[in-house]
Amino acid sequence: GENVEQHPSTLSVQEGDSAVIKCTYSDSASNYFPWYKQELGKRPQLIIDIRSNVGEKKDQRIAVTLNKTAKHFSLHITETQPEDSAVYFCAASKDGNKLVFGAGTILRVKS
Amino acid sequence: DVKVTQSSRYLVKRTGEKVFLECVQDMDHENMFWYRQDPGLGLRLIYFSYDVKMKEKGDIPEGYSVSREKKERFSLILESTSTNQTSMYLCASQGGNIQYFGAGTRLSVL
Repeated sequence: GENVEQHPSTLSVQEGDSAVIKCTYSDSASNYFPWYKQELGKRPQLIIDIRSNVGEKKDQRIAVTLNKTAKHFSLHITETQPEDSAVYFCAASKDGNKLVFGAGTILRVKS
Repeated sequence: DVKVTQSSRYLVKRTGEKVFLECVQDMDHENMFWYRQDPGLGLRLIYFSYDVKMKEKGDIPEGYSVSREKKERFSLILESTSTNQTSMYLCASQGGNIQYFGAGTRLSVL
């Protein structure tokens, strides 16, 4: 079955710096890659997603890139702010329904 | 506004007890999911359902069962709890490709 690895497990950045979280997947049939953000004590929420027919997608300060050949995708957050501090999960799916999640990255933005 | 409600936020049980975790959504979604969340392991899929009366095993179904008698309600059942089932349990309901999560139930098994 699908396996998703996520790195790093923790990431500390200064406010205003950029943060990058990387994920690799094993199943070349996966074609949908969402990112969820979970703030402390709250439920995970989708922040951005990308499909395999697109190489990059941006939404304000966040962007996701996908390299199908290498089977990896990354989340980029620019101009980080304290409210970006959270746990971020990547996921992969073959059908857009059943998701396989990575282990998560704890992002701390220091002000 | 999407609403996914889990019946309990915290539960403490003794080993061998039976536990029902209930999840209700109000968006008329067909797809619902149960995950457990453990530090360093992310969200792992226990069971999911694409329709009433329908259920499919996820990646870690052992020790769990589910029930979907009505479209809006998806229940997770732990027949005989064990200490290794101490975890945060999250329910999700899916609209389009977006999964909307409940607030979670933190279960402690002593």
